[in-house]
Amino acid sequence: DTAVSQTPKYLVTQMGNDKSIKCEQNLGHDTMYWYKQDSKKFLKIMFSYNNKELIINETVPNRFSPKSPDKAHLNLHINSLELGDSAVYFCASSQDVAGGSTDTQYFGPGTRLTVL
Amino acid sequence: AQSVTQPDIHITVSEGASLELRCNYSYGATPYLFWYVQSPGQGLQLLLKYFSGDTLVQGIKGFEAEFKRSQSSFNLRKPSVHWSDAAEYFCAVWSSASKIIFGSGTRLSIRP
Repeated sequence: DTAVSQTPKYLVTQMGNDKSIKCEQNLGHDTMYWYKQDSKKFLKIMFSYNNKELIINETVPNRFSPKSPDKAHLNLHINSLELGDSAVYFCASSQDVAGGSTDTQYFGPGTRLTVL
Repeated sequence: AQSVTQPDIHITVSEGASLELRCNYSYGATPYLFWYVQSPGQGLQLLLKYFSGDTLVQGIKGFEAEFKRSQSSFNLRKPSVHWSDAAEYFCAVWSSASKIIFGSGTRLSIRP
């Protein structure tokens, strides 16, 4: 059973298109995250949701919009894709907001987005 | 601001040799520290974490890390590496803004 799953695994698209990446966790966790990993492997948080409410929103362009239909899902929608959006996007989840003793973050396998 | 520095971008060790990956953090209070491993094409997996108590932390896959407040370090060690340990290793610290800040990673290669 996959704990945190993402679809698709690979996404190749043209500049200007709109695309979505889906994330689901079956761990019963309250908090979910989106991270972006650039070509130099630098990993940075983008968003965090706790019980469907946005709690972390880093300096991310408005073209990126997370949506959490329920506690187990956190999808990432990207409008008007740009070349600089090419990266690997990771979804993660934790039982509570990061920092407590139970707050191990479990990561999905990643979605490699390539914008042409 | 909280930050994490991994000074080594790439390290190569021989199979069976010991390993130490360096991590330095900047944090005002007692930090919550993590080590994650990312195998090629995979997501991140938690190796170990330090919140409080014993400064020597045991993790999975035979890894351990030692928290040294005086040196602001949380170095990862393994006495004998295996070829399957080849991966990217990330040190991370939990920040007061309810988020984890990752270091830039250290790529570990294993020499046969």
